[in-house]
Amino acid sequence: QVTLKESGPVLVKPTETLTLTCTVSGFSLSDARVGVSWIRQPPGKALEWLAHIFSNDEKTYSTSLKSRLTASKDISKSQVVLTMTNMDPVDTATYYCARIRIGQLERLAFDYWGQGTLVTVSS
Amino acid sequence: DIQMTQSPSSLSASVGDRVTISCRASQSISRYLNWYQQKPGMAPKLLIYAASSLQSGVPSRFSGSGSGTDFTLTISSLQPEDFATYYCQQSRSTSFGGGTKVEIK
Repeated sequence: QVTLKESGPVLVKPTETLTLTCTVSGFSLSDARVGVSWIRQPPGKALEWLAHIFSNDEKTYSTSLKSRLTASKDISKSQVVLTMTNMDPVDTATYYCARIRIGQLERLAFDYWGQGTLVTVSS
Repeated sequence: DIQMTQSPSSLSASVGDRVTISCRASQSISRYLNWYQQKPGMAPKLLIYAASSLQSGVPSRFSGSGSGTDFTLTISSLQPEDFATYYCQQSRSTSFGGGTKVEIK
């Protein structure tokens, strides 16, 4: 059974760095057929993709947020970590991690999602 | 960056109605287009991948079509559990549409 679970602070102050952890089970982060993405959703708004990380450690970031994001993984712990620097109130959102399924037809699709974690940025 | 535009942003429909949601890409994405359903307070769920392939376990009343820049999600006969927000996502470089909220008429 594939599961993903996000963890991290509920509240961060402006200018601080956010660190989120995604703990996965039911698949290996070393599997070349999958990866993990981070996606966020401000309250009442649309989904926004943030970053991908793959088994070969290749990373891809949103163009608009690239300078603030760093993704990493620890295969032995089955964890993927996302850091976002210089947090601002507009970064208040539910942050999801999702498994990437890599396929010839779809290229990539998010087939399993974590429950999400709401992060509020406020002083 | 590839922009994804969904229309309408919301719609009202009745149980049993046929519902169509559109998604347009700012440049060609071949068939690298996925659809997700999101219910309030829940994570999104993959419905359709590669424009028209039904994800395992998803009811056959959901279907997708299109290629290039124009895509459509169709619900053939709307069921009570289908009232939700639907998002398209292009996987050529990854971005989401703005969502379409399907509400009860």
